[in-house]
Amino acid sequence: GNSVTQMEGPVTLSEEAFLTINCTYTATGYPSLFWYVQYPGEGLQLLLKATKADDKGSNKGFEATYRKETTSFHLEKGSVQVSDSAVYFCALTTNTGTASKLTFGTGTRLQVTL
Amino acid sequence: GAVVSQHPSRVICKSGTSVKIECRSLDFQATTMFWYRQFPKQSLMLMATSNEGSKATYEQGVEKDKFLINHASLTLSTLTVTSAHPEDSSFYICSARGASGGLETQYFGPGTRLLVL
Repeated sequence: GNSVTQMEGPVTLSEEAFLTINCTYTATGYPSLFWYVQYPGEGLQLLLKATKADDKGSNKGFEATYRKETTSFHLEKGSVQVSDSAVYFCALTTNTGTASKLTFGTGTRLQVTL
Repeated sequence: GAVVSQHPSRVICKSGTSVKIECRSLDFQATTMFWYRQFPKQSLMLMATSNEGSKATYEQGVEKDKFLINHASLTLSTLTVTSAHPEDSSFYICSARGASGGLETQYFGPGTRLLVL
């Protein structure tokens, strides 16, 4: 079956530090990969996605590259801000459209301090 | 983006009682709603998928008689945890998807933390 493994948090960084949150996956077929972010008190929001090998998803300064050879989709940001403090979920799906279902990782809490 | 609300955000109940959690899509019609559960340090797991006006489809290992899902309208789905026990204590998240379909149109509620004493 499908599964997603994320690094365990919390991750605590100073503002302007470099961020990496690791994510690896196991899937049947060719999955699409996603990062979701959950800010305090809010629902999960789609942050970025990649649908095929070597694709790079990017949004709000965050990036992740779909690496089929290492089955990874690590999230990176060059310079984090306090406002990036949130829980980040890596996810995948092996189908798309109205029948799609997401498989999530455990989530990684990021805390950014001044 | 679209907003999905959940109520309550936090609930504490005694063992053996039933708890109802509401999930509402506030500015769009949700033809499909999903219920997830997350235990501490574990993955967010899909419990069931419901389409408006029809019975929910439960994932393997989820007891349909214990977790009653009603999706009676295009803006409201409810999850009732019947005869709750301490092992049901968890974080429950709903999400809603509009008729046009894909994952980009799936919006999540902020979650409900259930503690059963």
